Amino acid sequence: DAGVIQSPRHEVTEMGQEVTLRCKPISGHDYLFWYRQTMMRGLELLIYFNNNVPIDDSGMPEDRFSAKMPNASFSTLKIQPSEPRDSAVYFCASTQGASSYEQYFGPGTRLTVT
Amino acid sequence: GENVEQHPSTLSVQEGDSAVIKCTYSDSASNYFPWYKQELGKGPQLIIDIRSNVGEKKDQRIAVTLNKTAKHFSLHITETQPEDSAVYFCAASKANFGNEKLTFGTGTRLTIIP
Repeated sequence: DAGVIQSPRHEVTEMGQEVTLRCKPISGHDYLFWYRQTMMRGLELLIYFNNNVPIDDSGMPEDRFSAKMPNASFSTLKIQPSEPRDSAVYFCASTQGASSYEQYFGPGTRLTVT
Repeated sequence: GENVEQHPSTLSVQEGDSAVIKCTYSDSASNYFPWYKQELGKGPQLIIDIRSNVGEKKDQRIAVTLNKTAKHFSLHITETQPEDSAVYFCAASKANFGNEKLTFGTGTRLTIIP
């Protein structure tokens, strides 16, 4: 299996622009997670889905952030408008059967907002 | 909610020596404790986990111990090698309680000195 796939790997954008991050989970996995990693706040869970349905979005910082999972093999995390404080590495992870067990992380998208 | 504290934040050990990383958690209902290893430029990868019905688990040079009474758990790496250099994260969750989010510690940067 190719593992969790994320794109782009790096994104540099200007403040105010829309940013869309993409994730393809491992085939057969029914849970998908979006995390954000920064030096100051560590690894934070933003939102997670089970069978394409959002279960918990309490970690989403504010209304500028939105996430969708239109089917079992694709998810997006959108930031509109982006701000410099959104600069971070965003990880997608997936797992099967139980949400906290054996999460497989993608390589991450490093977002820089100038 | 759950709070996980991790110590030390950085650790340097001589190749061949042992390394120990410690975590404490706040929610006595937490019952699943994974450890993730993150290499530079990559996503975290699960290396070992323990459930609350056991006190210790070992996998080759890596072991994890759990003290439920004191609410702390530790990662032990023996006979360290240069490839063990990475950032290690502990985490905790209430698996099988429904909303099963992983709460991560702040990470330990382990450096193996050749």
